[in-house]
Amino acid sequence: DQQVKQNSPSLSVQEGRISILNCDYTNSMFDYFLWYKKYPAEGPTFLISISSIKDKNEDGRFTVFLNKSAKHLSLHIVPSQPGDSAVYFCAAPFATGNQFYFGTGTSLTVIP
Amino acid sequence: DSGVTQTPKHLITATGQRVTLRCSPRSGDLSVYWYQQSLDQGLQFLIQYYNGEERAKGNILERFSAQQFPDLHSELNLSSLELGDSALYFCASSEHGHSNQPQHFGDGTRLSIL
Repeated sequence: DQQVKQNSPSLSVQEGRISILNCDYTNSMFDYFLWYKKYPAEGPTFLISISSIKDKNEDGRFTVFLNKSAKHLSLHIVPSQPGDSAVYFCAAPFATGNQFYFGTGTSLTVIP
Repeated sequence: DSGVTQTPKHLITATGQRVTLRCSPRSGDLSVYWYQQSLDQGLQFLIQYYNGEERAKGNILERFSAQQFPDLHSELNLSSLELGDSALYFCASSEHGHSNQPQHFGDGTRLSIL
């Protein structure tokens, strides 16, 4: 069962504009969420996280928003840069049993 | 460079065979995780070790097994291989294995079953 879903396989954005990547989850027990970025032929790298006690976390050009009632989180990248072109995964650890769930990823292309 | 080393980078073998994938965690990290990424799929969590002991188990097949050694490196053993086992296998590590700690990933081993 897909407990963390990224319904957009790909996204193209012009350089300098905002990129918004979305993620939905089904389990209300999730209390922590992470975003990872992956370049081809490399492993994922941690980007930003958010605890369920917050609704927003910001780190430079990256901001993650959490809407618990909608079971939805989003990653905003402003301004988008060509180097941001990568696959982005959202992930949620489930503390009980220490399961880790990843979405299927969204491939972001930033067009110069 | 995440500091996590996975070997080999590529592995090609045949159905029915057995392979071993190796992972050296980042210096200072006590916990190791294994993930499988099949085509167009997300990362599927397989198993987690902490300081040599199994801590959590995900969707790991019975044909697969893993262990973490005293020097903290880990091996994932895949046996009776099937075509569907072709995938990217990632290892990740974190300092204490807490669920809210970011994991540091290796670059993966690409396994191709012919």
